[in-house]
Amino acid sequence: DQQVKQNSPSLSVQEGRISILNCDYTNSMFDYFLWYKKYPAEGPTFLISISSIKDKNEDGRFTVFLNKSAKHLSLHIVPSQPGDSAVYFCAPLKGAQKLVFGQGTRLTINP
Amino acid sequence: GAGVSQSPSNKVTEKGKDVELRCDPISGHTALYWYRQRLGQGLEFLIYFQGNSAPDKSGLPSDRFSAERTGESVSTLTIQRTQQEDSAVYLCASSLSLGWNSPLHFGNGTRLTVT
Repeated sequence: DQQVKQNSPSLSVQEGRISILNCDYTNSMFDYFLWYKKYPAEGPTFLISISSIKDKNEDGRFTVFLNKSAKHLSLHIVPSQPGDSAVYFCAPLKGAQKLVFGQGTRLTINP
Repeated sequence: GAGVSQSPSNKVTEKGKDVELRCDPISGHTALYWYRQRLGQGLEFLIYFQGNSAPDKSGLPSDRFSAERTGESVSTLTIQRTQQEDSAVYLCASSLSLGWNSPLHFGNGTRLTVT
């Protein structure tokens, strides 16, 4: 019973262009959505979050868009930089319950 | 300041042996999670501890897996009679509490290889 899906296992983007990572979920009761970033041989680190009462949250080059009716969120990175190459995990949250992660999308930024 | 520390960083064991993985969370963090990541897979929830509440063990894949936490400090994840499918990176994370405003802080993981 997978509540969150990241259907693109990998994405390759040219440096300077926009990277768009997608995440779909099934539980309409989620009230927060978090994105984590993971480099090889390191643990994931928190990147950005969005509340379910908003449809957009922006932090520098990173913007999260939430479409509740479609149960879909996306992370936009612009402009993409080589240091953004990592695996990105989407993690929806309901209240104070445990955090469940998507399968991740490996982003590669090409110079 | 110290982050989440996991030991050992790498562990190679023979099938059928028991292993114990250790996690030292950030001081003051009441919530502690264990996840694992198999090769090419996502982060799989195993168990979490929150304060003095009963742990949520719903993610443990079999009764060969168990975890303990002493108060709000060290946690150990024990895998008995290891199998090859247990090979994975085991990640520990801690947070101040549960909820959106307490992001998880992860350790670098223990890479377990069962031969």
